[in-house]
Amino acid sequence: NAGVTQTPKFQVLKTGQSMTLQCAQDMNHNSMYWYRQDPGMGLRLIYYSASEGTTDKGEVPNGYNVSRLNKREFSLRLESAAPSQTSVYFCASSEVSAGGRNEQFFGPGTRLTVL
Amino acid sequence: QKEVEQNSGPLSVPEGAIASLNCTYSDRVSQSFFWYRQYSGKSPELIMSIYSNGDKEDGRFTAQLNKASQYVSLLIRDSQPSDSATYLCATQDTGFQKLVFGTGTRLLVSP
Repeated sequence: NAGVTQTPKFQVLKTGQSMTLQCAQDMNHNSMYWYRQDPGMGLRLIYYSASEGTTDKGEVPNGYNVSRLNKREFSLRLESAAPSQTSVYFCASSEVSAGGRNEQFFGPGTRLTVL
Repeated sequence: QKEVEQNSGPLSVPEGAIASLNCTYSDRVSQSFFWYRQYSGKSPELIMSIYSNGDKEDGRFTAQLNKASQYVSLLIRDSQPSDSATYLCATQDTGFQKLVFGTGTRLLVSP
């Protein structure tokens, strides 16, 4: 099993360009997440999808859109990239248990630079 | 919004010593807690989950939870240079769908 995979690994954009980050998981998890990680800020949730067909905003959703394409895939789109979106982006997935336990597993990340 | 606080470190320990990493949280109703290890340039890796008061042991790792004092800790016994990493503490948000992460403690284990 590959777990959680992300593409691309690295990307450089110019201000105003758009791009889509792809994420896929093969663990049959219902829930998927997009985080960004900046120095000194920790992991911050951008959007999440509790199940196929649903998406919700996290802590820092502005400037991003998401699509839960199917149970396996969850993409993050930057419509008009800004330098403030320079960050490392992580996708994660989990299966929230009946008791509400939410162990999340992370992909390898995408390092994005916006010039 | 829950808050999770960690000392950023670095915490420096010699090889073979016990490393003690601490985390405090603001919400008394938090039920689930997680420790992730993150090597430089890599993604977070789940190493321990703890859901009830007391200690939970897994190999060289022990997680300790004290809900009355609102802190959770991670002990690493017989620390190795390969344990040098940033350790992230997380708690589960109300509604179970979201985790709230601390900013992490950097651990350095010297040979």
